[in-house]
Amino acid sequence: DTEVTQTPKHLVMGMTNKKSLKCEQHMGHRAMYWYKQKAKKPPELMFVYSYEKLSINESVPSRFSPECPNSSLLNLHLHALQPEDSALYLCASSHPIDTYEQYFGPGTRLTVT
Amino acid sequence: GQSLEQPSEVTAVEGAIVQINCTYQTSGFYGLSWYQQHDGGAPTFLSYNALDGLEETGRFSSFLSRSDSYGYLLLQELQMKDSASYFCAVISDYKLSFGAGTTVTVRA
Repeated sequence: DTEVTQTPKHLVMGMTNKKSLKCEQHMGHRAMYWYKQKAKKPPELMFVYSYEKLSINESVPSRFSPECPNSSLLNLHLHALQPEDSALYLCASSHPIDTYEQYFGPGTRLTVT
Repeated sequence: GQSLEQPSEVTAVEGAIVQINCTYQTSGFYGLSWYQQHDGGAPTFLSYNALDGLEETGRFSSFLSRSDSYGYLLLQELQMKDSASYFCAVISDYKLSFGAGTTVTVRA
């Protein structure tokens, strides 16, 4: 199974809402990532988890809160977002030493109203 | 930080060969990856070069010259399904940093 799944596929939320994005993989990968991608732009790294510990936070605003409950799951908790946070949020996984080959999920298309 | 440059768009006909160049500036360079992303889809890993030279995977090949901080992705026997965005990405400090992407359009 080489699949990374993400739910929901689409999410519309108001600026005062709290929501969560979920990501799951069953490839035994111990590194998991969150990326943000705007239209016609490359993915931008937000967070890296390695062995369930947060190892990289790319200076992401605190209204984005990641969580890694176990080696297969990755969540991104959203609170008090701004309209400019509307984007495609991609989850990826890899073996920790094989950062160059990441498996991406289909993404969650987030719209903040 | 990292800096990668690649052309923004390339158009070619079916059956043609396309070369997408990527030049980079980065500290702590480990290698160069290439990803493909169809409209509305997820990025998909294509290839990785850690050492100088050419890596061939079917119709796609990737090349790296570490001394020139340069690499390219070669797409041969272009097919309509190859219409997509292609990103080069450098690996440093256990992170992938992507170039801006090259949109390849294949015409019949």
